Amino acid sequence: SQWGEENLQALSIQEGEDVTMNCSYKTYTTVVQWYRQKSGKGPALIILIRSNEREKRSGRLRATLDTSSQSSSLSITGTLATDTAVYFCASYTGNYKYVFGAGTRLKVIA
Amino acid sequence: EAAVTQSPRNKVAVTGGKVTLSCNQTNNHNNMYWYRQDTGHGLRLIHYSYGAGSTEKGDIPDGYKASRPSQENFSLILELATPSQTSVYFCASGDRLGGNEQYFGPGTRLTVL
Repeated sequence: SQWGEENLQALSIQEGEDVTMNCSYKTYTTVVQWYRQKSGKGPALIILIRSNEREKRSGRLRATLDTSSQSSSLSITGTLATDTAVYFCASYTGNYKYVFGAGTRLKVIA
Repeated sequence: EAAVTQSPRNKVAVTGGKVTLSCNQTNNHNNMYWYRQDTGHGLRLIHYSYGAGSTEKGDIPDGYKASRPSQENFSLILELATPSQTSVYFCASGDRLGGNEQYFGPGTRLTVL
């Protein structure tokens, strides 16, 4: 998928399963951010990975960044029903600007 | 805890009317942003600001103006609202270092009839 141009994707999984979401970006970036947006709320940062990091972990979250293929992934292990949300990737494009992907709507069924 | 608030939370406007969306942040952040989010799509940048008195065009500025009268406040103005501007609008703030976290407000749902 192309950053900021694709339509929202949807995934439905059972609680306890692992899930991976992917994003690819067009232009050079030094930072990729992943945000979670719960229904009726604003997005909230869950993990940030910089271009000098290939992998970043935070609890059950794992983000990867491959600058050669211009892609990033977010994995959640042992999903919970409370992980149900829309997940966005955002790339920093310089000059204090960001480009957001359309996101993945994740539904975790208890 | 970072705090970004928006008002109003919901707004119904008529075509051709003027709409002002307000944003306030207590983070003392230099940078502020206005995005719109349409169903099934990601956030798109409308205007942003580096600090009080500055406004910059984002990726989709047509039909929108912005105002940053102070460090804390950033407004988005629709002088002549159109139905195509029906959307959910998010304000965000971020510190002066590019690439760091943005803190988002709860959003304003705008319907233009």
